[in-house]
Amino acid sequence: QKEVEQDPGPLSVPEGAIVSLNCTYSNSAFQYFMWYRQYSRKGPELLMYTYSSGNKEDGRFTAQVDKSSKYISLFIRDSQPSDSATYLCAMTGWGNEKLTFGTGTRLTIIP
Amino acid sequence: GAGVSQSPSNKVTEKGKDVELRCDPISGHTALYWYRQRLGQGLEFLIYFQGNSAPDKSGLPSDRFSAERTGESVSTLTIQRTQQEDSAVYLCASQPGRGKPYGQYFGPGTRLTVT
Repeated sequence: QKEVEQDPGPLSVPEGAIVSLNCTYSNSAFQYFMWYRQYSRKGPELLMYTYSSGNKEDGRFTAQVDKSSKYISLFIRDSQPSDSATYLCAMTGWGNEKLTFGTGTRLTIIP
Repeated sequence: GAGVSQSPSNKVTEKGKDVELRCDPISGHTALYWYRQRLGQGLEFLIYFQGNSAPDKSGLPSDRFSAERTGESVSTLTIQRTQQEDSAVYLCASQPGRGKPYGQYFGPGTRLTVT
């Protein structure tokens, strides 16, 4: 079993819809949780990060962490065609440097 | 300012040949990471540098893989006697220092194809 599980999709939604992306994990030592966006043939770009449980909002993006369920989510409101990309969750533990990534969910926003 | 750069952007090599991949981190970033991304997979950690020392090289898949870093600048990842399963995108990331694991900035990657 992988440490981080993420549905690879693909996921297609109409423009303006709310998108929900999720990851589950098994390592209870993970404390920092991140979401990266990766456009085709580009490196990942950090979108959001949260520490421990709770919610964090940044514009149209909201990240949620539920450590009791080992479940993290990224919500995108008012989705735009420019949001079409692969979204990767990543996480790490206290004092650890390397990130453990999910496989990524490929998202397409249909105009 | 300039971001993380990697070269070459694409590399096609024959099985059994050695390849060298280069990463130029953001100036002043002391931490540097190498990851591998196979088709349809997430990023797989290979090695972490703090300055020119490598406290964590646990992700290197075999002794055919090695990496070095000159001071707090350029890093090279070398793959000897390449195999077809080495085909992947190799990504480099740099970070200002320790203590902020979310601060990793990625380069565009080197796409390696072993024929």
